[in-house]
Amino acid sequence: TQLLEQSPQFLSIQEGENLTVYCNSSSVFSSLQWYRQEPGEGPVLLVTVVTGGEVKKLKRLTFQFGDARKDSSLHITAAQPGDTGLYLCAVSPNTGNQFYFGTGTSLTVIP
Amino acid sequence: DADVTQTPRNRITKTGKRIMLECSQTKGHDRMYWYRQDPGLGLRLIYYSFDVKDINKGEISDGYSVSRQAQAKFSLSLESAIPNQTALYFCATSDLRFGLGELFFGEGSRLTVL
Repeated sequence: TQLLEQSPQFLSIQEGENLTVYCNSSSVFSSLQWYRQEPGEGPVLLVTVVTGGEVKKLKRLTFQFGDARKDSSLHITAAQPGDTGLYLCAVSPNTGNQFYFGTGTSLTVIP
Repeated sequence: DADVTQTPRNRITKTGKRIMLECSQTKGHDRMYWYRQDPGLGLRLIYYSFDVKDINKGEISDGYSVSRQAQAKFSLSLESAIPNQTALYFCATSDLRFGLGELFFGEGSRLTVL
């Protein structure tokens, strides 16, 4: 059973378009992380959200943690080819012990 | 130089062979992890260690073993490799003294079992 479900699994868009990817669970978490993984590299942390309803912005990326702390979304405005990669959400049910990852969204931004 | 280094980066082996993947880190973190990545399945935790004397099983530990030789070194072994262990393997570190436990990953070791 997958703890975190991400959608869509694959997304291919034109440069300049907006997009949203989702991370959903039936469990409540104290915090949730988003990572981006580029081809040939390991994932790199983008953001950690900790409060229900929290919105964080990182340049053109907007992250939201659901009010009930069961889900999160990542919105990218005016996507660029450099945004191409695998986006992974992750949680740590025991606050920093094991980290569990979602299934990932593979994003391709076409120039 | 990378803070988390994995060797080898690529390995092709045959069914039944013993394989060791090694990980070393210069971040000074206590916690180290081994993950496996398969397409469509994200990253799944194999084993994790909070210090040299601590080893814990993750979601998918069957067929794998680990050794924490030092604070900076954590190796993953496949005693008798099988084809469904073909995957991309990542080592990661974290330290709860800094924030909420961000994971720092190596560049991955791609293993193919024929």
